[in-house]
Amino acid sequence: EAGVAQSPRYKIIEKRQSVAFWCNPISGHATLYWYQQILGQGPKLLIQFQNNGVVDDSQLPKDRFSAERLKGVDSTLKIQPAKLEDSAVYLCASSLQRDPQYFGPGTRLTVL
Amino acid sequence: AQSVTQLDSQVPVFEEAPVELRCNYSSSVSVYLFWYVQYPNQGLQLLLKYLSGSTLVKGINGFEAEFNKSQTSFHLRKPSVHISDTAEYFCAVSDQVQAGTALIFGKGTTLSVSS
Repeated sequence: EAGVAQSPRYKIIEKRQSVAFWCNPISGHATLYWYQQILGQGPKLLIQFQNNGVVDDSQLPKDRFSAERLKGVDSTLKIQPAKLEDSAVYLCASSLQRDPQYFGPGTRLTVL
Repeated sequence: AQSVTQLDSQVPVFEEAPVELRCNYSSSVSVYLFWYVQYPNQGLQLLLKYLSGSTLVKGINGFEAEFNKSQTSFHLRKPSVHISDTAEYFCAVSDQVQAGTALIFGKGTTLSVSS
């Protein structure tokens, strides 16, 4: 069974530029999560989708972050414009209802 | 609201020694409990989970954890560690009532195994 796929694995941008990350969850997993992991901390939820609907985006900085999951499968997370404090690893995870979450390898973003 | 406290930020041990990584949680509702491991430049891998039933949970790579409801703890243990166990370990909880809710993570414990 293929795992959660993410791309790119690494991205370096200048502040005020925009960036997008892509995630393809495990086949059949209806729930998709984006987490932000700042160095030295545990992951923190940014947004949760159930199929193509948003379940929880209370911690998403909506003035600069956006995410979509148009067909209920893969998802894109965008940052525009990026700030220095957005430097982090962005993790995508997916799950079936009541099952543990399975994580992708993450995208490491460096904002200069 | 839920929170997770991992009591040790770093745990250095020698190879073949036993290890315990401590985790306490706070929640007003019943929770599911998890331990994940993160190797350098990789995503999180599920080590073990407690959903219900026996309070002693066995996971992959020889790890086990014990759920203690009265002490709100979920400590991770391994009787004999290997160099390859060197990694970051995260304890996490999720709401048992609203299944499928996001995980709340601790800050992580760095396990360093040396020979």
